[in-house]
Formats: sequence, C-alpha cells, structure tokens
Amino acid sequence: NAGVTQTPKFQVLKTGQSMTLQCAQDMNHNSMYWYRQDPGMGLRLIYYSASEGTTDKGEVPNGYNVSRLNKREFSLRLESAAPSQTSVYFCASGRGAGQYNEQFFGPGTRLTVL
Amino acid sequence: GEDVEQSLFLSVREGDSSVINCTYTDSSSTYLYWYKQEPGAGLQLLTYIFSNMDMKQDQRLTVLLNKKDKHLSLRIADTQTGDSAIYFCAESSNTGGFKTIFGAGTRLFVKA
Repeated sequence: NAGVTQTPKFQVLKTGQSMTLQCAQDMNHNSMYWYRQDPGMGLRLIYYSASEGTTDKGEVPNGYNVSRLNKREFSLRLESAAPSQTSVYFCASGRGAGQYNEQFFGPGTRLTVL
Repeated sequence: GEDVEQSLFLSVREGDSSVINCTYTDSSSTYLYWYKQEPGAGLQLLTYIFSNMDMKQDQRLTVLLNKKDKHLSLRIADTQTGDSAIYFCAESSNTGGFKTIFGAGTRLFVKA
C-alpha cells in the first residue's frame, strides 16, 4: 500500500500562474483534507471532503479550489498564484468513525510563488 | 473558533525526559492526538487519548490529560536523538465534524 501520495514534490510558480496539486489515497478512506503548513502557524485547513461528492471550506480557502474526483483522489487548484501562497501543502485522508479521526498524511508539496 | 496552543521549541539532552505541553479551548473535545513530523515528511500519528481518560502510557510515551484545565502533555522518557522532530497536538470533537484542529507544533531538539 502506498498510503497517501502527492504530486509534485516541489514546484516553483510565477505570480498569476495556475497549477493543480494531486493527491490520492489507497486506504479506502471516506474523508480527505488539504492543509498548508507555514512556520510558526502549524497546519491550517484549506478544504476538506467528508465523503465522495462533497467538499467544504476550511480555515483558509481563499485563492483555492478543490475537486473530489472519486473516493481515491482529491485535487487542489490554485487559479492565480500569489506569493502569499508560498507554503508546504499536505494532503491527508481520514480513518475512523464518529469523532475519532486519525489522519494519514502525504509527504507534502513544497510550493514557491515568485 | 476553537484553538490549540503549544510552545514552539524544546531542547533536551539525550537520555533526559522531554515534556511537551499543549492547551486547547474546545470543551467538547472528544479525542486528543499527538502527531510527529520528521524533517521533509508528513505528519504521523504518535498516540491519542480519549477525553474520559486521564493518562495513557505506550512504551516510552506518557500522555496526561487534565480536562478541567484543558491541558494535554506528552512525556518522552529516555529521549534519543531520533526523537528530534516537530510534535503537533491536535483535537477533534462532536462540533468539529470530520475536522481536526492542530496546534502550531513544538520543535524538539535533542542534544547528544
């Protein structure tokens, strides 16, 4: 099992360019998440998908869109990248019933916007 | 909104115990977690505790929960250089649905 995979691992964009970060999980989890990690600010939730066919905004959704393509895949799109979106992006999938929600993380995408 | 706070840095000598502290605001938290992030990697669940427990021990790890003060701690006994990492406190609750709230992470430095 690969767990949670993310592509690409590194990306450099110019301001205004667009890109899509890909995420896939092979653990048959219902919920999936996109976070960004910035120094001193920990993990902030961008968007999540509680189940296939649903998506919801997290704490910092502005400037991003998501697509839950199927149960396995959850992509994050930056339509017009800005330097403030320079960050490390993590995708995660959730296991558990009720309130127990262990999350499994991908290795991250390091994005720099110039 | 709900918040989880933890100090940003901790430095200990190899062989000593490390104690990482965390406070949270959500009184309806049902599960509290400790995740570990090694350099260049994603987070990995280290341990968790259910809110009706005071303590949980797992080999070198001891988790203490003071629900009244909304305080969680992680003690690592006999800290090794391989324990150097960032440790995240997190909580999930009835009100959060599928969401988990993470703290900013405590970077643990272990000196040989």
